[in-house]
Amino acid sequence: GESVGLHLPTLSVQEGDNSIINCAYSNSASDYFIWYKQESGKGPQFIIDIRSNMDKRQGQRVTVLLNKTVKHLSLQIAATQPGDSAVYFCAENNYGQNFVFGPGTRLSVLP
Amino acid sequence: EPEVTQTPSHQVTQMGQEVILRCVPISNHLYFYWYRQILGQKVEFLVSFYNNEISEKSEIFDDQFSVERPDGSNFTLKIRSTKLEDSAMYFCASRGQQNQPQHFGDGTRLSIL
Repeated sequence: GESVGLHLPTLSVQEGDNSIINCAYSNSASDYFIWYKQESGKGPQFIIDIRSNMDKRQGQRVTVLLNKTVKHLSLQIAATQPGDSAVYFCAENNYGQNFVFGPGTRLSVLP
Repeated sequence: EPEVTQTPSHQVTQMGQEVILRCVPISNHLYFYWYRQILGQKVEFLVSFYNNEISEKSEIFDDQFSVERPDGSNFTLKIRSTKLEDSAMYFCASRGQQNQPQHFGDGTRLSIL
């Protein structure tokens, strides 16, 4: 489930396994979604985006799935590598200027 | 690949002092943003800027905050009289068009003493 404050949800996976990170978004009118990766001491880094007229989009080793019925977004990372260890945020946009960020999930890749 | 750059990387300021955080967005981008992230928490929107004016701002962005694009390249965030609770990472972001992703800088860590 989601957490706030200092207690980020954590997902631990073995190197080489697939990872699935989930996000529940808040606004049913949101039409554009982004997954960001944030490494320690750095700013959020764009991974992949999806518009509300799609339910799936694939990138290099990553796939985003959008379920508008239940306002749910997921990020799948194939063959997870040590360099994938980071905090992952989803962000939603509703025809406006700003994005609303989720609280984030910490992904730890075990050797 | 072009990137958003922010200076300084770390700013330490006495409470009550003014601070200016600087950003150079990606050169052909039109939309500019400031976000903050308190340690261990999620990224929070502060303000967006387009066509030389503020287009949206959050409740956090009160009268103590202001933004400027003084020339064709810089985008600044000023906090007039800093408070302890202003301590956070401040991220600048820019994007080219609406419904395109925002690109973030690596942030300025602001520490208020």
